[in-house]
Amino acid sequence: DTAVSQTPKYLVTQMGNDKSIKCEQNLGHDTMYWYKQDSKKFLKIMFSYNNKELIINETVPNRFSPKSPDKAHLNLHINSLELGDSAVYFCASSPQWGQGAYEQYFGPGTRLTVT
Amino acid sequence: AQSVTQPDIHITVSEGASLELRCNYSYGATPYLFWYVQSPGQGLQLLLKYFSGDTLVQGIKGFEAEFKRSQSSFNLRKPSVHWSDAAEYFCAVGRGNNDMRFGAGTRLTVKP
Repeated sequence: DTAVSQTPKYLVTQMGNDKSIKCEQNLGHDTMYWYKQDSKKFLKIMFSYNNKELIINETVPNRFSPKSPDKAHLNLHINSLELGDSAVYFCASSPQWGQGAYEQYFGPGTRLTVT
Repeated sequence: AQSVTQPDIHITVSEGASLELRCNYSYGATPYLFWYVQSPGQGLQLLLKYFSGDTLVQGIKGFEAEFKRSQSSFNLRKPSVHWSDAAEYFCAVGRGNNDMRFGAGTRLTVKP
């Protein structure tokens, strides 16, 4: 009965490849997020979706493309992977847009290593 | 610019000792403030939050935090640390447009 799940947990791939990370939440939340955590543990928001619509799109290379097929899923596709993309990527969700939305529930993370 | 500062990168305390982790924020409006904990290899778990009202908030696992507007601080405290509290702790501020900004984190080591 995992609340926010991500697959895969580990992803090792070569430069130039295209890969996807999947995220699903079973909390009935409206808003979902992708974060990137670098090697120094710094956590930075990448994207936010509310009811399948893109709300926040930080300065992220356009090689990163989020896709939300429905409210419960937010996938992250990365084209032409680069060494600097190596990080832990976290998916999160929150109940709704607005004050209640700030309480975010995080998935376990996907550790991406680009060689 | 809105920001969150956690001045201590790494703190070591003895088991049973008290703990205080510092957090300062810079934000133009009334902030929404949070503390999260990240155990090794895990995602982030919410410890507590402050939206309004009583400036001393209680969280899970025996943690509490106090909002001090005059000092722009939201420090996390625990009276007696357990070995299982060893983790990375993140302070965060919620912005008006629904996104959250995190501090750089404080790593807590607990000595036996």
